[in-house]
Amino acid sequence: DQQVKQNSPSLSVQEGRISILNCDYTNSMFDYFLWYKKYPAEGPTFLISISSIKDKNEDGRFTVFLNKSAKHLSLHIVPSQPGDSAVYFCAASAGASKLTFGTGTRLQVTL
Amino acid sequence: DTEVTQTPKHLVMGMTNKKSLKCEQHMGHRAMYWYKQKAKKPPELMFVYSYEKLSINESVPSRFSPECPNSSLLNLHLHALQPEDSALYLCASSSPGTDTQYFGPGTRLTVL
Repeated sequence: DQQVKQNSPSLSVQEGRISILNCDYTNSMFDYFLWYKKYPAEGPTFLISISSIKDKNEDGRFTVFLNKSAKHLSLHIVPSQPGDSAVYFCAASAGASKLTFGTGTRLQVTL
Repeated sequence: DTEVTQTPKHLVMGMTNKKSLKCEQHMGHRAMYWYKQKAKKPPELMFVYSYEKLSINESVPSRFSPECPNSSLLNLHLHALQPEDSALYLCASSSPGTDTQYFGPGTRLTVL
């Protein structure tokens, strides 16, 4: 049972434009959400997080939006840069030190 | 500093070998984790240590044996592995009371 889903396995965006990565979840007990970026053969790098008491969190070029009623979160990257090309994982937590990861979206930022 | 280090970076072992993976963090985190990641899949949680005690074992086979010698170190002892255990093994850590985990670069393990 995949509790966290990223339905787009890949996304291609032009440099300078906005990248929007989506994530859906089914477990209503999740109360903390994170986005990680991963390059091949490296560990995931933490990007940004959001608590369920908020609906938006911003950090530089990265903004995460949470829609609790739809059980949906999204990561906006603007402007997109070639160095943003990587696999992005969303993750969710219901506490107890356990993160549940989505299947990932490969972002390609083209020149 | 949000650095978690892992050694070795690559490891090739036979099915009869015994080897160990090491992980270290100096961020004062008191929770440490082992994950396994296969190609094109998300990381899968294996073990969680909280305050140097094993708190979660996700039904991992006994050929994987974790150890937490102190609050900065985490080991994963490997014995009699199978070729399907070949994967990227990731270590992570987090502060008490937070869910943000910081990952190391991983050890790429190949079992022949």
